[in-house]
Amino acid sequence: DAKTTQPPSMDCAEGRAANLPCNHSTISGNEYVYWYRQIHSQGPQYIIHGLKNNETNEMASLIITEDRKSSTLILPHATLRDTAVYYCIVRVVNSDDMRFGAGTRLTVKP
Amino acid sequence: SAVISQKPSRDICQRGTSLTIQCQVDSQVTMMFWYRQQPGQSLTLIATANQGSEATYESGFVIDKFPISRPNLTFSTLTVSNMSPEDSSIYLCSVVMPGNTIYFGEGSWLTVV
Repeated sequence: DAKTTQPPSMDCAEGRAANLPCNHSTISGNEYVYWYRQIHSQGPQYIIHGLKNNETNEMASLIITEDRKSSTLILPHATLRDTAVYYCIVRVVNSDDMRFGAGTRLTVKP
Repeated sequence: SAVISQKPSRDICQRGTSLTIQCQVDSQVTMMFWYRQQPGQSLTLIATANQGSEATYESGFVIDKFPISRPNLTFSTLTVSNMSPEDSSIYLCSVVMPGNTIYFGEGSWLTVV
């Protein structure tokens, strides 16, 4: 079973920031938080991952709470092409345990 | 990043037949995974395929149905045996790259008729 909980769907206006929450209240100290997205009919695309510090790359920012029980993926300026299912996953480094939940279906609207 | 190529990208197969899906990576990787994504569903891990050892299958998946080969550090195959319409899914391979980033192939869309 997935170790994360995400809202099933969200809408965001084009050009605005999209903030996608994820709850991982049972996360262990050696588990990272990973985010992927899947645009229809494509393989999942890696976005970002982190352990406890906030992370930023060219695609998004990852904000992890101090107790590590939840995180938020931020797409700073959402475009129509960001419409996808976003998956939050926790994984122990070098383990084979990477399980997907249902994800959040983000719809960016004009 | 990694370039992961899967073949075939799509196929329509007759029930009772078997199909082998290939996954080729452009660099050497230790850990590879095979996933299944049934229509409208999330991804489900089938097995972990590490070079030099037998594949490790998740609960609900067995080697007779989904035999896996991992002959070297850049290649793996997944066979879907004795197919039925319930096997119609997207099958995806993924790899762990240095830095613990995991990348996915584009998937192999399988329809069983």
